[in-house]
Amino acid sequence: EAGVTQFPSHSVIEKGQTVTLRCDPISGHDNLYWYRRVMGKEIKFLLHFVKESKQDESGMPNNRFLAERTGGTYSTLKVQPAELEDSGVYFCASSQVILRGPSSGNTIYFGEGSWLTVV
Amino acid sequence: SQKIEQNSEALNIQEGKTATLTCNYTNYSPAYLQWYRQDPGRGPVFLLLIRENEKEKRKERLKVTFDTTLKQSLFHITASQPADSATYLCALRLAGGYQKVTFGTGTKLQVIP
Repeated sequence: EAGVTQFPSHSVIEKGQTVTLRCDPISGHDNLYWYRRVMGKEIKFLLHFVKESKQDESGMPNNRFLAERTGGTYSTLKVQPAELEDSGVYFCASSQVILRGPSSGNTIYFGEGSWLTVV
Repeated sequence: SQKIEQNSEALNIQEGKTATLTCNYTNYSPAYLQWYRQDPGRGPVFLLLIRENEKEKRKERLKVTFDTTLKQSLFHITASQPADSATYLCALRLAGGYQKVTFGTGTKLQVIP
């Protein structure tokens, strides 16, 4: 079974340009997350989709970032216009439907990340 | 503000010894604490989850403890091997089936043959 896949794996763009990152979650996973790690910092939460709905977007840095998940399958994260401080690695993760009780510790599976460099 | 602290310096140990990594947190009441492994250029890989009402959990050579009074978790790798060399991330999760996790910066472990 394929894991979480992300595209592109690496991207170098100029300040002011637009970049769109794509994430294909594990088939059947309703939960999809975006995280980001900038140089020297910890991995930080950006947002969480449940199917096509945004459950939590409290981590989105500003309105230059737009995430979508049309149809509840793959997701895109667009940065427009990109700034230097947006450089980092963007991780996508997915998990199955959240269950209550003892089974609520569902495993989250991460992709390999999309490495973005803004110059 | 919420803070998760892990040893920022790399931990070097001899092969065969037990590696112990520490995770401390403040201003947080997590329901779950998770440990992940991350290799260079790769995404985090889930290892273990421990709930707030659990003191200890084991999986093969791995052992995690969770002390909600001390606000600390210890992660142990027994009989360490060079293949265990990686960065290990501590992550906290709130209760209620809400799966957003908050990560620490990670500790880099180097197992020396």
